Amino acid sequence: NAGVTQTPKFQVLKTGQSMTLQCAQDMNHEYMSWYRQDPGMGLRLIHYSVGAGITDQGEVPNGYNVSRSTTEDFPLRLLSAAPSQTSVYFCASSYSLGGRGSADTQYFGPGTRLTVL
Amino acid sequence: DAKTTQPPSMDCAEGRAANLPCNHSTISGNEYVYWYRQIHSQGPQYIIHGLKNNETNEMASLIITEDRKSSTLILPHATLRDTAVYYCIVRVREKLVFGKGTKLTVNP
Repeated sequence: NAGVTQTPKFQVLKTGQSMTLQCAQDMNHEYMSWYRQDPGMGLRLIHYSVGAGITDQGEVPNGYNVSRSTTEDFPLRLLSAAPSQTSVYFCASSYSLGGRGSADTQYFGPGTRLTVL
Repeated sequence: DAKTTQPPSMDCAEGRAANLPCNHSTISGNEYVYWYRQIHSQGPQYIIHGLKNNETNEMASLIITEDRKSSTLILPHATLRDTAVYYCIVRVREKLVFGKGTKLTVNP
């Protein structure tokens, strides 16, 4: 298994540009999520999905869109990039997040380092 | 919703046990406690989780108090490679909520 993969690893955007961060997992996990991490901070949840066709907002959803057309993929779209979105973005997946212990263990991708000028 | 409180930083000598505390006084009876760590800027790595009983795996031990209001992660023989930020997390509905964690520095 490749686990959770993210592309690209690095990206530089200009203010106002749009782009999509890709996330894929090959573990047949139902739950997927996107976090951002700013310098010296913990991870903050942007959006999450409990299954194909189902998404919901996390703590900091503004400026981002997601969709979940397949179990494997969960892309994150930046609609109009702003310097405040400069951050490291992590995608994660787990079998569930329903309070069932081991099934809720999240596996993280390596991250995408995004700079918005 | 349960929240966690951790000291911002700790130091440990190489080869000694590292004991990382976490307070989660508002945890619900059926909520698990999870520990993750993040080395440098890599993606967080799962360490261990528990509900009521103490747990041990190849990486660490987790001690949960009887009232479940706090827990301690124990790295029995810390190495330089254990230098990382350690996160104590509880599930909040459909989300794992990360705090700022504890920066553990293992010194030679």
